[in-house]
Amino acid sequence: DSGVTQTPKHLITATGQRVTLRCSPRSGDLSVYWYQQSLDQGLQFLIQYYNGEERAKGNILERFSAQQFPDLHSELNLSSLELGDSALYFCASSPTGSYSYEQYFGPGTRLTVT
Amino acid sequence: SQQGEEDPQALSIQEGENATMNCSYKTSINNLQWYRQNSGRGLVHLILIRSNEREKHSGRLRVTLDTSKKSSSLLITASRAADTASYFCATVSNDYKLSFGAGTTVTVRA
Repeated sequence: DSGVTQTPKHLITATGQRVTLRCSPRSGDLSVYWYQQSLDQGLQFLIQYYNGEERAKGNILERFSAQQFPDLHSELNLSSLELGDSALYFCASSPTGSYSYEQYFGPGTRLTVT
Repeated sequence: SQQGEEDPQALSIQEGENATMNCSYKTSINNLQWYRQNSGRGLVHLILIRSNEREKHSGRLRVTLDTSKKSSSLLITASRAADTASYFCATVSNDYKLSFGAGTTVTVRA
């Protein structure tokens, strides 16, 4: 158990809908990262937050947005969902904003768009 | 886009044998990390090697880094059934962009 929690574990929704994925980092970790893992794209870095502020952006679509709250939990919002958004979404946390340290991954949220 | 590329894509070995997988990347890096993923689960960090290091060990794992060839290798010695998983390299570039490779799927046969 990494100490990172994600809810929900599974989500099934229809095209065009909007969903929110939630992540609670390990106690004391200030950084949260979001990743998307699909069969055709592999593991893609989406976005990083550090202590409430956006730190780095990866391959995140404009239909997706994220935020990190004062209690350091984070939410990833996916809107106007398409079939191709079906994937595993992971969040990870680390103590600092630096990539010089390991990241601790949550168990993931499996999103199915029908 | 993925900077790191693992080779081979898949590997099947007998329990007790060693498993070696490679990662090649394109641009200069700050550090390179290896992660393991059991089917459908989150990734677990295995080892981090910095650009000024050439070799690192952690238990049955040995990682090498050759920055002149832009490549790294992960060796798992005396493999066990529990080592069956996908292994990913992640590169951190000098401008701190993180990129994962496509992974190597390792199957350890009893």
